[in-house]
Amino acid sequence: QKEVEQNSGPLSVPEGAIASLNCTYSDRGSQSFFWYRQYSGKSPELIMFIYSNGDKEDGRFTAQLNKASQYVSLLIRDSQPSDSATYLCAVNMGGNKLVFGAGTILRVKS
Amino acid sequence: DAEITQSPRHKITETGRQVTLACHQTWNHNNMFWYRQDLGHGLRLIHYSYGVHDTNKGEVSDGYSVSRSNTEDLPLTLESAASSQTSVYFCASSEFGGGSTDTQYFGPGTRLTVL
Repeated sequence: QKEVEQNSGPLSVPEGAIASLNCTYSDRGSQSFFWYRQYSGKSPELIMFIYSNGDKEDGRFTAQLNKASQYVSLLIRDSQPSDSATYLCAVNMGGNKLVFGAGTILRVKS
Repeated sequence: DAEITQSPRHKITETGRQVTLACHQTWNHNNMFWYRQDLGHGLRLIHYSYGVHDTNKGEVSDGYSVSRSNTEDLPLTLESAASSQTSVYFCASSEFGGGSTDTQYFGPGTRLTVL
């Protein structure tokens, strides 16, 4: 069974702080990794994807990938109350079929 | 603008009834997917299709079927609805054929309640 694990949270951070969201996956052969944000009652929307070891930055968001440790993370700098949502980690385990983690609830307190 | 739509947005049905959830995308994407989302389980893949007349089973396909007669639509049918199928259902699509970095775009979801 191919698995993706996330801490369910909630992760609470003050406004302006860095939020760090983590994800581990079981399939060592996985090639690409996605972070989605989901507001309550809404559909998932893509934040970013990463497929090479190291960091990938997009605005306030940085995705980090370590394939040797089977670990992917998302950092959100200067967190805002509007960042409060559930963050879903998804791993492409072949044929563009994504396996999702259960999500981490992030709460940014103003 | 291109988009992906689902209908109905909310549905209440009774145990044993057949239910069909519609998904329509105007991006001309090859790949389409159906997921269900339940508390504590995240999104789980039900069925997927890489093109017209292609369908494949996902992780939780029992009790569900799909058909792909054109590029735009992938309807999901619950053959005989069960209370365990009460969930939020999301349809998604992506552009390329099986590439590793294809981005999936999600529809707004259908909340299904089986009484």
